Amino acid sequence: DTEVTQTPKHLVMGMTNKKSLKCEQHMGHRAMYWYKQKAKKPPELMFVYSYEKLSINESVPSRFSPECPNSSLLNLHLHALQPEDSALYLCASSQDRGIMNTEAFFGQGTRLTVV
Amino acid sequence: DQQVKQNSPSLSVQEGRISILNCDYTNSMFDYFLWYKKYPAEGPTFLISISSIKDKNEDGRFTVFLNKSAKHLSLHIVPSQPGDSAVYFCAAHRDDKIIFGKGTRLHILP
Repeated sequence: DTEVTQTPKHLVMGMTNKKSLKCEQHMGHRAMYWYKQKAKKPPELMFVYSYEKLSINESVPSRFSPECPNSSLLNLHLHALQPEDSALYLCASSQDRGIMNTEAFFGQGTRLTVV
Repeated sequence: DQQVKQNSPSLSVQEGRISILNCDYTNSMFDYFLWYKKYPAEGPTFLISISSIKDKNEDGRFTVFLNKSAKHLSLHIVPSQPGDSAVYFCAAHRDDKIIFGKGTRLHILP
């Protein structure tokens, strides 16, 4: 199993809504990531979890709140988003941090539209 | 400040010929480099990586070359196939972060 599964695939939400994006992997990976990708731009790192602890927050606004309930799951809680937050949100996982880590596997992404 | 640069937004190559995608970086502390392929509306798919202590890594039709003195790497695809048409991202890793270039759109011509 080399899959990273993201749900939902598409999400439309209003600016006053609260929603959550979910990510799951069963590869035993201990590092998990959230990326945001706008159209025709590269993926931009938002958060890194390592061994279920938040290790990097790339100055992401507090309306995005990550959560790692266990080593297989990563959530991104959304609240009071703005239309400019509409993007493809990608989850990724990798075996571990450090020099022996050679690749990160990405999910298919959640296409988020804020109206 | 763009640490990973892909200066060619697009590239067209005849089917069966070699595709060469280039990438430059500015941070000498990156410890390995990766190439990802991305189709529209899908997440990036890992292709091949190279450690900063190596200068070449080969996997089937894909070969990545690293020139540390020039801070340059390239991905060679040979022979190019129609299914190779996609956006290719160069990425670099350090300190738990994977930083992406802007991507190069590869068109394989029949």
